[in-house]
Order: sequence, then C-alpha cells, then structure tokens
Amino acid sequence: EVQLVESGGGLVQPGRSLKLSCAASGFTFSNYYMAWVRQAPKKGLEWVATISTSGSRTYYPDSVKGRFTISRDNAKSSLYLQMNSLKSEDTATYYCARAGVAAISWFAYWGQGTLVTVSS
Amino acid sequence: DIQMTQSPSSMSASLGDRVTITCQASQDIGNNLIWFQQKPGKSPRPMIYYATNLANGVPSRFSGSRSGSDYSLTISSLESEDMADYHCLQYKQYPYTFGAGTKLELK
Repeated sequence: EVQLVESGGGLVQPGRSLKLSCAASGFTFSNYYMAWVRQAPKKGLEWVATISTSGSRTYYPDSVKGRFTISRDNAKSSLYLQMNSLKSEDTATYYCARAGVAAISWFAYWGQGTLVTVSS
Repeated sequence: DIQMTQSPSSMSASLGDRVTITCQASQDIGNNLIWFQQKPGKSPRPMIYYATNLANGVPSRFSGSRSGSDYSLTISSLESEDMADYHCLQYKQYPYTFGAGTKLELK
C-alpha cells in the first residue's frame, strides 16, 4: 500500500524558514517523480514543486521560485521542501504527492498534509 | 500559464440528480486533465484521469468527458457520499494549474 506521511509543519514567523519532510513507503520511491501541492485555508489547491526521479530536475511556479527548494533522498525514500523567506500567503496545508515516471504525469497518491502557519 | 476556469463555484443538488461540473482550459491541454474529489479535512482523491478514465475504486456513476477546451465531470445519479469539493488540474505543461474548485452540497 502506498503511504506518504508529511511532517515538519508548524507556526513560523514571516521571513523565517521551515523544512517539510515526506516519508514514502509501499512503492519504489526512486522510480517516481514527486511533488508538493498546497491549499490555503478555505481555498483551492496550488501546485508548489515537482522533482525528477534522480533529483536533477526541479519545477516551480513563479509564486515560490527562488524561495522554495524541493529535494529528495532516494536511499531514505524521503521528499523534502525547504521554504525560505516565508510570507503570510504561504500559510497552507502542504501535501506530498506521488506523480508518475515521467515529467508530465498526474498525482495518483497524496499524503494527509501538514499545516504551515506563517504569522508573527 | 494555462488558466483553468471551473464552474460553478458551488451548487446544490438532490439525491438522484445528474450533476455536471466543467473546467475550461485557456490553451490546448489535450486530454491531460484530472478531476479530484476532496472531503473536509481529507486529502484530494483522484476520480478521473486523462480526462475520461475512471481512477481505481471510483464508482461508475462518475464519468469524464471533453468537448474542445471544455472538460466535464458528471455524476449520473447523486448519492450522499458524493457531497464534497471537486477540483480539476491540467498537467499538460508546467506550471500545473488547478481550477478554483466546486463545492457540491445537498439541496
């Protein structure tokens, strides 16, 4: 059974940093692209980042480019999201998602999410 | 960036009704569209992928269709467990973009 378990969320002040983790199990982690998707309270979903199987290619929307960094450790079956220079508008539940084996693929499995609150 | 215009933003329907939710793409996305269902406090669940394909375990009353740049999710006969938020996502090109979501409620 595919499982994705996020951790690392919490309350953080504007301008500070936070690193999220996602522990994956139930599949061969190194074979799949992975992604982060977020959802602000009472709002829609927003794609945040995607990383290739080896970690050599990453993709971001303009809203987080230069501030967020997605990475992975295939030996540990873990995905990460380093978030710097956090803003109040980054407040959201962050979901880890498993994509497919290609760069263009959909999110078949999701974690339960971890809440990040950016506030002073 | 590709804009996904989803409608309606909310709707109420009765049990047994036929319900249709639509997303319109601002550029060609082919069939690279997925529909998610999301219940309160839960993560999104894939329902339809590649515009028309039923995801694993999804009841057959759900279906997806495409007409040009318009993509639809249809529930043929609404059941109480279908009350949820529904989101579309285009995965044709980066940045991936979601529709704004549809809240489906019981009338």
